Amino acid sequence: QKEVEQNSGPLSVPEGAIASLNCTYSDRVSQSFFWYRQYSGKSPELIMSIYSNGDKEDGRFTAQLNKASQYVSLLIRDSQPSDSATYLCAGLTTDSWGKFQFGAGTQVVVTP
Amino acid sequence: NAGVTQTPKFQVLKTGQSMTLQCAQDMNHNSMYWYRQDPGMGLRLIYYSASEGTTDKGEVPNGYNVSRLNKREFSLRLESAAPSQTSVYFCASSERDRDQHFGDGTRLSIL
Repeated sequence: QKEVEQNSGPLSVPEGAIASLNCTYSDRVSQSFFWYRQYSGKSPELIMSIYSNGDKEDGRFTAQLNKASQYVSLLIRDSQPSDSATYLCAGLTTDSWGKFQFGAGTQVVVTP
Repeated sequence: NAGVTQTPKFQVLKTGQSMTLQCAQDMNHNSMYWYRQDPGMGLRLIYYSASEGTTDKGEVPNGYNVSRLNKREFSLRLESAAPSQTSVYFCASSERDRDQHFGDGTRLSIL
């Protein structure tokens, strides 16, 4: 099992709808998680971080962490064409301080 | 604010040539990282430095060396480039277990 797994997509979402992205993780990944957005040809940029069980909302974005089931999700409400990008899930590993493990990313395409 | 600065942005090498990718950050972060990104593979950690004076191997260290020159600078060296090292390379920095800040990347092609 990979330490952090994501569906590669593409996830096609109509404009104005909710995009739902999921990420599962292994026991080798800690409870600190990050969602990055990466536009084609650009570097990743942080959208959300979540450290504790439950939901965290920031504008149109909501991150959810479920420690018991070992998954973290990202919801994008009122999806816009500018949300079309690849979304990377990352977690801190438990075997070494400050070491991150990234998923392969989910491509989101928002259609007008 | 410069953040994380990588040089060069593009480079073409021939097989067997060597080169060093430079990375500098101005956020006073202790930790710095080098990743490579290939299509469909996400970001894979090559080497990281938890603090000045320390470096550790990541997931794909073979064929690379690193130097943490000081707190600001972390360089990645390819001693004998191979076509399999064609990739986009990202440098990042972070403080403790907080989020990472990325440079713009270096697009490296090896012929």
